[in-house]
Amino acid sequence: AQRVTQPEKLLSVFKGAPVELKCNYSYSGSPELFWYVQYSRQRLQLLLRHISRESIKGFTADLNKGETSFHLKKPFAQEEDSAMYYCAHHPTQGGSEKLVFGKGTKLTVNP
Amino acid sequence: DVKVTQSSRYLVKRTGEKVFLECVQDMDHENMFWYRQDPGLGLRLIYFSYDVKMKEKGDIPEGYSVSREKKERFSLILESASTNQTSMYLCASTQIGTGRTEAFFGQGTRLTVV
Repeated sequence: AQRVTQPEKLLSVFKGAPVELKCNYSYSGSPELFWYVQYSRQRLQLLLRHISRESIKGFTADLNKGETSFHLKKPFAQEEDSAMYYCAHHPTQGGSEKLVFGKGTKLTVNP
Repeated sequence: DVKVTQSSRYLVKRTGEKVFLECVQDMDHENMFWYRQDPGLGLRLIYFSYDVKMKEKGDIPEGYSVSREKKERFSLILESASTNQTSMYLCASTQIGTGRTEAFFGQGTRLTVV
């Protein structure tokens, strides 16, 4: 089955420490992968997409087809990064337009 | 510039009631989705729609139905609410050809069934 896996439900780091949120996928071909973030009392919103190869709020994510991973990284975590993070797969082939999300990782950045 | 709007932020309903959750988007998106969000379970897809009057079941459709009579509006219906349907419900929309397009989410409806 097509799947997006986030192995960590909770992740806690100290301010200034590096952070890596893991995401693995089980799709064949060229997946379109995204990271979404939900800050406290805010709606879920796009953080970044792999096709853009961009850095948003200091976060980057590289698609590794060999390891079927799309881990989210930031070299120096900030307290305002505390949030819920979801990895998502957007379908690219013909057929279903179904969006699939991982179960999410709650990141806490401690002062 | 709110793009996806859910009709209620909080709802409290009684067991057995028929419940309607409404979602409206103003971006002319073809695809609309209903998820429920539960701690430790992430976002689980209930139903989605890729066109007016078209729908597909998601991963957990039991106990729910949907309606899409107009492109901008997607309704989630709980035919007979039960306590295990207490949850946060999220609506989302995307353009067709979802692969490279961003999903936009509503603010969520927290439903409590008592």
